[in-house]
Amino acid sequence: QQPVQSPQAVILREGEDAVINCSSSKALYSVHWYRQKHGEAPVFLMILLKGGEQKGHDKISASFNEKKQQSSLYLTASQLSYSGTYFCGFNFGNEKLTFGTGTRLTIIP
Amino acid sequence: DGGITQSPKYLFRKEGQNVTLSCEQNLNHDAMYWYRQDPGQGLRLIYYSQIVNDFQKGDIAEGYSVSREKKESFPLTVTSAQKNPTAFYLCASSIFRTGNQPQHFGDGTRLSIL
Repeated sequence: QQPVQSPQAVILREGEDAVINCSSSKALYSVHWYRQKHGEAPVFLMILLKGGEQKGHDKISASFNEKKQQSSLYLTASQLSYSGTYFCGFNFGNEKLTFGTGTRLTIIP
Repeated sequence: DGGITQSPKYLFRKEGQNVTLSCEQNLNHDAMYWYRQDPGQGLRLIYYSQIVNDFQKGDIAEGYSVSREKKESFPLTVTSAQKNPTAFYLCASSIFRTGNQPQHFGDGTRLSIL
């Protein structure tokens, strides 16, 4: 039931774009996205609840394709502050989240 | 300011010893969670609690125990039965069911074996 998250790692130059994908083998109720800086606590980015829903947060946005049981996180015109590890968390309509293994994003000047 | 406080930040365990990690929140959240984080494995759920005096096992509960005697507190005990306890432990909370509610995390406790 663990989300399949890809890529495992990506290196970008400042200003470039990135896409992180998560997919599920089971029907999803919601998808959460978090970012974690090294040695720190994960920080909530956004929740997507409905099939086909898209959300944006500054230059970070996400989509949720309920039919395909997939979610993607889009980082546009990346900034140095976007560096960190990104996790998707899947909720299957119960009381908990199941997290993916993470995508390590490194932004270089 | 509201938040989640985990203590200690670093903890060392001797062979055969039980250790307890503290987690306190002043967000008035009903639900609390404990996760274990190992390099390259993301966050794995150990235990969670939706209300006081009730808690459920997560995916990797063996070798751990918890209690929820107060709404604001959810301590985790790593017992001697947990043979590989070295990891980063994160406590989180949410208003209620986490399906449509974000989880807020503490700063973590890093546990190592002496």
